[in-house]
Amino acid sequence: EPEVTQTPSHQVTQMGQEVILRCVPISNHLYFYWYRQILGQKVEFLVSFYNNEISEKSEIFDDQFSVERPDGSNFTLKIRSTKLEDSAMYFCASLREINEKLFFGSGTQLSVL
Amino acid sequence: AQSVTQPDIHITVSEGASLELRCNYSYGATPYLFWYVQSPGQGLQLLLKYFSGDTLVQGIKGFEAEFKRSQSSFNLRKPSVHWSDAAEYFCAVGANQAGTALIFGKGTTLSVSS
Repeated sequence: EPEVTQTPSHQVTQMGQEVILRCVPISNHLYFYWYRQILGQKVEFLVSFYNNEISEKSEIFDDQFSVERPDGSNFTLKIRSTKLEDSAMYFCASLREINEKLFFGSGTQLSVL
Repeated sequence: AQSVTQPDIHITVSEGASLELRCNYSYGATPYLFWYVQSPGQGLQLLLKYFSGDTLVQGIKGFEAEFKRSQSSFNLRKPSVHWSDAAEYFCAVGANQAGTALIFGKGTTLSVSS
């Protein structure tokens, strides 16, 4: 089965630093998403991206967050100035068409110290 | 408010025994309902989904779920659990068939004893 690939699997950063989480969606997919899961809490939607623009975002996705699809294969999530509370597992997901299956990556564990 | 409740945080089941994981939802519109499984170090894998029609849906790995509109429930079942089923299970509700902008429950951790 095709896979969504996320790198790195674990990222440690200092508070206030910028961090970029990388995802390679499945190659013929058109819709892209970021979710996060804080330890012990539920998985939360952050943002969806289609046709090179954000189609939907949650309250969590404030001005500190941005997404980009820089080269047609990668899909990145940038946090400009990380806070302790940004520590979480971040999941990327992609989808080919609206009525098909959403594929998740295995996640990047972000630790902000 | 839109929400998903999984009342059981942790369940232990003997191998070969039947399993039922509970899920209740609150959603303003017609819900699209999903069950995902997360094994350690793995991403979320879709087990099954319900949009409309037959209220009993079959999924992968021998799982099934039943949608009960009157109870706002979408419980996951398996007649005979295998040790490899030990994982975290998430119920989710979404606004469309793709499951985009999903609202997840907090998850139920399933342990399987021999």
